[in-house]
Amino acid sequence: QQQVKQSPQSLIVQKGGISIINCAYENTAFDYFPWYQQFPGKGPALLIAIRPDVSEKKEGRFTISFNKSAKQFSLHIMDSQPGDSATYFCAASSKGAQKLVFGQGTRLTINP
Amino acid sequence: KAGVTQTPRYLIKTRGQQVTLSCSPISGHRSVSWYQQTPGQGLQFLFEYFSETQRNKGNFPGRFSGRQFSNSRSEMNVSTLELGDSALYLCASSPGQANTGELFFGEGSRLTVL
Repeated sequence: QQQVKQSPQSLIVQKGGISIINCAYENTAFDYFPWYQQFPGKGPALLIAIRPDVSEKKEGRFTISFNKSAKQFSLHIMDSQPGDSATYFCAASSKGAQKLVFGQGTRLTINP
Repeated sequence: KAGVTQTPRYLIKTRGQQVTLSCSPISGHRSVSWYQQTPGQGLQFLFEYFSETQRNKGNFPGRFSGRQFSNSRSEMNVSTLELGDSALYLCASSPGQANTGELFFGEGSRLTVL
């Protein structure tokens, strides 16, 4: 019940295209859903996050869509660029717990 | 502001040894968390400290331990190392208030157990 399932494991998108990564969870106590971006040799860095009181959040080219009833959320990267090539992790945490449960990660490659 | 600093960045140990990893959080951050990252298991939560107290703990054996000092710096220790402990160990800090979820990660300490 603590798991967060992420798909796909890897994704190749052409420059300018839309990258979509999906995550699903079971634990209804989760109330914070961040996405982290990790480049090789670096630690993960927060990209964008959402709470379940909204269905969508947009920051620049990055959008999170959240479906509370389906217990799913997704990351959309519009106009994908080669610099977006990285590993993306979805995560979730419960209120009061400074502890993130991560998805398995998606290795995104943007072809120029 | 300086970011999260982890030392050492790389280390090699043999089975049965122990290792201590260090983490200096962002100035003013009172919460420090540790995560293990492996290709097979991904990112897994080890423990979290706030004001020198362990506030949350993951599902790792007792060989994994940690502590936090009064200046918020943290150390984690792994005793009786096993081959499966080879991983990137990531430290993350946050201000520590009611769950905001935003963690600031260091670049990690890559441990290889031979």
